[in-house]
Amino acid sequence: DTEVTQTPKHLVMGMTNKKSLKCEQHMGHRAMYWYKQKAKKPPELMFVYSYEKLSINESVPSRFSPECPNSSLLNLHLHALQPEDSALYLCASSQEVSSDSEQYFGPGTRLTVT
Amino acid sequence: AQSVAQPEDQVNVAEGNPLTVKCTYSVSGNPYLFWYVQYPNRGLQFLLKYITGDNLVKGSYGFEAEFNKSQTSFHLKKPTALVSASALYFCAVSRGSTLGRLYFGRGTQLTVWP
Repeated sequence: DTEVTQTPKHLVMGMTNKKSLKCEQHMGHRAMYWYKQKAKKPPELMFVYSYEKLSINESVPSRFSPECPNSSLLNLHLHALQPEDSALYLCASSQEVSSDSEQYFGPGTRLTVT
Repeated sequence: AQSVAQPEDQVNVAEGNPLTVKCTYSVSGNPYLFWYVQYPNRGLQFLLKYITGDNLVKGSYGFEAEFNKSQTSFHLKKPTALVSASALYFCAVSRGSTLGRLYFGRGTQLTVWP
């Protein structure tokens, strides 16, 4: 099973709200990723977790807070977002954090900040 | 620095004809090269990768790609295009020291006309 699931599919939130995005994989992968994607653009890496520890933070604003409760789950906590944060948020996983491992992506959460 | 160029924003081809989506890369050292496809409102799907060995790589859905070191290219090909292949295609590169970071091209929209 090469499936990464993400919930919710769509999310509309105001700038003062707090919400969370969830991601789950059951492939036994030890690396998990968060990406942000604007329409018709390539994904932009936000965070990388390796063995449940944060290994890369691509200078993401603190209003985005990642969490990896266990090896199968990845959350992204959102607080005080801006309208420009509206985008498709993609979760991905791979066997390891290694340059030759392909990443498997979830379907994404379409986020709209009003 | 690592980078990928996809010189064509749009590729149009008639169903049944061969298709090529171009990708060139710039990386110091040995590259690891990937192709992903994204259908509307979906996450990215892994198609194929080149790590080492045979320059012709075969992947999902009848796609293949040829690694050409002298031309620093990794073009995606399919002998017979199907309408269902219409999607956004991303080429990506990594190398040994980038530890999970994928450097994506800007994407090429493939449209296969019936």
